[in-house]
Amino acid sequence: SQQGEEDPQALSIQEGENATMNCSYKTSINNLQWYRQNSGRGLVHLILIRSNEREKHSGRLRVTLDTSKKSSSLLITASRAADTASYFCATETGANSKLTFGKGITLSVRP
Amino acid sequence: NAGVTQTPKFQVLKTGQSMTLQCAQDMNHNSMYWYRQDPGMGLRLIYYSASEGTTDKGEVPNGYNVSRLNKREFSLRLESAAPSQTSVYFCASRGGGVGTQYFGPGTRLLVL
Repeated sequence: SQQGEEDPQALSIQEGENATMNCSYKTSINNLQWYRQNSGRGLVHLILIRSNEREKHSGRLRVTLDTSKKSSSLLITASRAADTASYFCATETGANSKLTFGKGITLSVRP
Repeated sequence: NAGVTQTPKFQVLKTGQSMTLQCAQDMNHNSMYWYRQDPGMGLRLIYYSASEGTTDKGEVPNGYNVSRLNKREFSLRLESAAPSQTSVYFCASRGGGVGTQYFGPGTRLLVL
């Protein structure tokens, strides 16, 4: 079963624009993580936000978490063509550190 | 430091054949995971190993077995492959505490 649901499913923007991706989930979490997957490659971890945090930054990435709404957003500022990839949110729940992934968002950044 | 490695990168099987997917990590991580990724889907957990000597079922374990050979290695076995097992398989590892998972490059499996 899919814990996280990303929105939109696909996003196409111009280089230099900001990209905002959303994730909603259903149950209480320990933390929420965002991963990137380039075509034909494995997933790469981008950022982790704990359940008691509301906002985190890492370079051009900003992630927010609203536990009352069970939602998170990932903002990529000043996008580049190299940001073209699929982005997944994943929620960690329980004591065994299992992650449950959403179906992903396909981001295309046009040069 | 190679991180997480997987072999083979690509494999074609006939229905009913068996094979083992190999995964190794050199980060001294306790936990290891096997996922499958199907088109338009996120990753679904097949099996995981929280520590050496332990394994547990994930969301989609049917048709698979695993072995945590030692702390470094975690293998996934398909005893009798079926076309429904055509997928991309990813292995991941995780250290202790609040942490992220590190993924291998994947194995693309086609079952005819």
